[in-house]
Amino acid sequence: KNEVEQSPQNLTAQEGEFITINCSYSVGISALHWLQQHPGGGIVSLFMLSSGKKKHGRLIATINIQEKHSSLHITASHPRDSAVYICAVPYNTDKLIFGTGTRLQVFP
Amino acid sequence: AAGVIQSPRHLIKEKRETATLKCYPIPRHDTVYWYQQGPGQDPQFLISFYEKMQSDKGSIPDRFSAQQFSDYHSELNMSSLELGDSALYFCASSLGDWGLGNEQFFGPGTRLTVL
Repeated sequence: KNEVEQSPQNLTAQEGEFITINCSYSVGISALHWLQQHPGGGIVSLFMLSSGKKKHGRLIATINIQEKHSSLHITASHPRDSAVYICAVPYNTDKLIFGTGTRLQVFP
Repeated sequence: AAGVIQSPRHLIKEKRETATLKCYPIPRHDTVYWYQQGPGQDPQFLISFYEKMQSDKGSIPDRFSAQQFSDYHSELNMSSLELGDSALYFCASSLGDWGLGNEQFFGPGTRLTVL
């Protein structure tokens, strides 16, 4: 069993739809990262959160430390949101353990 | 704002050759992490440095070595390259010692292809 699990693995949506990606983890953590990876390969940090909720534009991330669960929401999705979204948790010396990623495709 | 810089961005090598990947962290960041992402794989942690000292080591082959210099940039040296070393190598930097859950900022990656 992976220490970080994401669902769904693949997600397709129509432009404008509300999207939710889920992440569950089994290790004790101080914070959780949501990352975005575009087809070119570069990784962008979207959020780092340790409690509650954070919002940046159309992106919202929530975390429940007790339940070891986090969600990433995208409101009013757009084709440019198409990417792989990765949940990652720092472990031990803060090295990141990555989830398997959720591949999102948003169609016009 | 300055970001993490990695060079080269692309590298093609033959089997058994050596390669050196460089990472320049965000100014004032003192911690560097190296990750390897094989084709269709999740990134995997290789090694990290804090204040020029190795702070953690993951699944890094003995053929690989790394160090962090006085200006905090880091180099990953890879020898006797194998086909399986073909991957995207990411460097990330953060500020402060581990255990604080410091945010990591990623470089664009170096895509290594071993022929």
